Amino acid sequence: EAGVVQSPRYKIIEKKQPVAFWCNPISGHNTLYWYRQNLGQGPELLIRYENEEAVDDSQLPKDRFSAERLKGVDSTLKIQPAELGDSAVYLCASSLTGVLAGANVLTFGAGSRLTVL
Amino acid sequence: AQKVTQAQTEISVVEKEDVTLDCVYETRDTTYYLFWYKQPPSGELVFLIRRNSFDEQNEISGRYSWNFQKSTSSFNFTITASQVVDSAVYFCALSGTNTGNQFYFGTGTSLTVIP
Repeated sequence: EAGVVQSPRYKIIEKKQPVAFWCNPISGHNTLYWYRQNLGQGPELLIRYENEEAVDDSQLPKDRFSAERLKGVDSTLKIQPAELGDSAVYLCASSLTGVLAGANVLTFGAGSRLTVL
Repeated sequence: AQKVTQAQTEISVVEKEDVTLDCVYETRDTTYYLFWYKQPPSGELVFLIRRNSFDEQNEISGRYSWNFQKSTSSFNFTITASQVVDSAVYFCALSGTNTGNQFYFGTGTSLTVIP
């Protein structure tokens, strides 16, 4: 079974440029998360989707960040324009929400490392 | 409030030593899950264990063991006979039923096993 797939793995851009990250979750996982991980820190939630609905985007800087999960499967996270402080690893994770065995466990992708110059 | 504290920022041990990673949590939920994840240098967070708040039995998996104590709100992780491949950052996380499926991560403990 394929895991959570993210692309690109690495991205280097100049400040004020746009950037987009893509995530394909595990098949059948209804919940999708975008996290940001700064160096030496734990993951911090940006947005969480239940199917195609964004149910928690309180930590998403909406002036420059946007996300979508069309058809409740894969998702895109966009930053426009990027700032120096956006340099981080952007992690996508998915989970199966419910009471089944194995539910509510986050499976992470390899992450997209963004460097803003 | 939901919070996970990993007070140990960095730990170094010599190979074959035992090491315990501490995790203390805060939650108002009566039902919650606790997790440990491993993040090796490659960067991908790997799930190690999930523990339900109603199950306080300690668990052992090979060289790994976990000690869950609700009385002290702790969920500690012990690696026995550490190996170089255990070098990674380890994260403890909490997910409460009253907060939907939001996960709260600690700041991680960086473990270095010296050969």
